[in-house]
Amino acid sequence: GIQVEQSPPDLILQEGANSTLRCNFSDSVNNLQWFHQNPWGQLINLFYIPSGTKQNGRLSATTVATERYSLLYISSSQTTDSGVYFCVLETSGSRLTFGEGTQLTVNP
Amino acid sequence: DAGVIQSPRHEVTEMGQEVTLRCKPISGHDYLFWYRQTMMRGLELLIYFNNNVPIDDSGMPEDRFSAKMPNASFSTLKIQPSEPRDSAVYFCANGGGGRSFFGQGTRLTVV
Repeated sequence: GIQVEQSPPDLILQEGANSTLRCNFSDSVNNLQWFHQNPWGQLINLFYIPSGTKQNGRLSATTVATERYSLLYISSSQTTDSGVYFCVLETSGSRLTFGEGTQLTVNP
Repeated sequence: DAGVIQSPRHEVTEMGQEVTLRCKPISGHDYLFWYRQTMMRGLELLIYFNNNVPIDDSGMPEDRFSAKMPNASFSTLKIQPSEPRDSAVYFCANGGGGRSFFGQGTRLTVV
């Protein structure tokens, strides 16, 4: 099956810092999504981004499908950004394949 | 739309008991997924449905697990009998046509 690699696995930031999370994948996909799992366990869809760039407030994402990677940018990080960020790929039959996630901790 | 609704939010049960987890999906999405999340294995796909029909249940760990989707508005995941190693957070998700939406999960503890 398709392989998804996220980096870094862990990231600790001071509030206000910027960060870039990366997702590499091994095969072409139907689409790609970024999810945030907050410390309470809730999974929230951040971006649906099979290609191109999207922005939502302090967050933006870029997917270069031809080179099989996606980037999630977090600017001016806040403590509420803490949690796990998953890169999720959709393959045939709408199956979702999750990366192992990046554990982000933003300290005040 | 209230989103994907799962119940109960928390369940504590004794080993050997039957557990039923419930999911009310968002209307208009063709696919429904059940996932399990543990510290050891991360998020695992258990089973998914397309238009209420089970498509792939290869992720269901054992015969003790079963899932049904009698209509587009409701799905259940049943564990009978439950075991301590079934303790996890179980997510129901909707998809198809792009974005996926997850319920808040059911945290199951089997003691």
